[in-house]
Amino acid sequence: GQNIDQPTEMTATEGAIVQINCTYQTSGFNGLFWYQQHAGEAPTFLSYNVLDGLEEKGRFSSFLSRSKGYSYLLLKELQMKDSASYLCAVGGGGSYIPTFGRGTSLIVHP
Amino acid sequence: KAGVTQTPRYLIKTRGQQVTLSCSPISGHRSVSWYQQTPGQGLQFLFEYFSETQRNKGNFPGRFSGRQFSNSRSEMNVSTLELGDSALYLCASSLTSGSVNEQFFGPGTRLTVL
Repeated sequence: GQNIDQPTEMTATEGAIVQINCTYQTSGFNGLFWYQQHAGEAPTFLSYNVLDGLEEKGRFSSFLSRSKGYSYLLLKELQMKDSASYLCAVGGGGSYIPTFGRGTSLIVHP
Repeated sequence: KAGVTQTPRYLIKTRGQQVTLSCSPISGHRSVSWYQQTPGQGLQFLFEYFSETQRNKGNFPGRFSGRQFSNSRSEMNVSTLELGDSALYLCASSLTSGSVNEQFFGPGTRLTVL
């Protein structure tokens, strides 16, 4: 099976930088997704990493290290609207269907 | 392009009843996956349909079933409802099946079982 671990909750200040970590154990890794989910809404796609390294997309960046089973999502210049749950999802274990972590609830305060 | 739509948005049922949820994928998307989301377990995969065939199934009892129609719309059915079935049920569509794909989620159906 797959095991995905991410912190339950994080808090940060508006304008700051926050890093949300995700560690995983799986065989046959075939990609890692990050999704953002605001309360009461659908998850929306943020990033997809399949190779090691950093992928930057505006204020959001995602990093992957396959050898360490580790990824992080970096959010810069935090805004109040970034308060949401961030879901890490890993593809592997012989399936292309990603397994989701329980999500990290990020609270951004003024 | 319209997004993924799910109906109904909210549902209240009692134990023992059955329920059917509906999902319309993004136009042109042929794969539909269903997930159950609860605060304790997070997002858990139920099943995936592609070309009217179930391609993958998660670890849920047989009370949970689904189907897909020729227009790619999908329905999910839960029979003999239990209190623990109270959850947000999310549908996600993607272009194809058989490889890692970006999934587009619908707003979900909030099911409450009393």
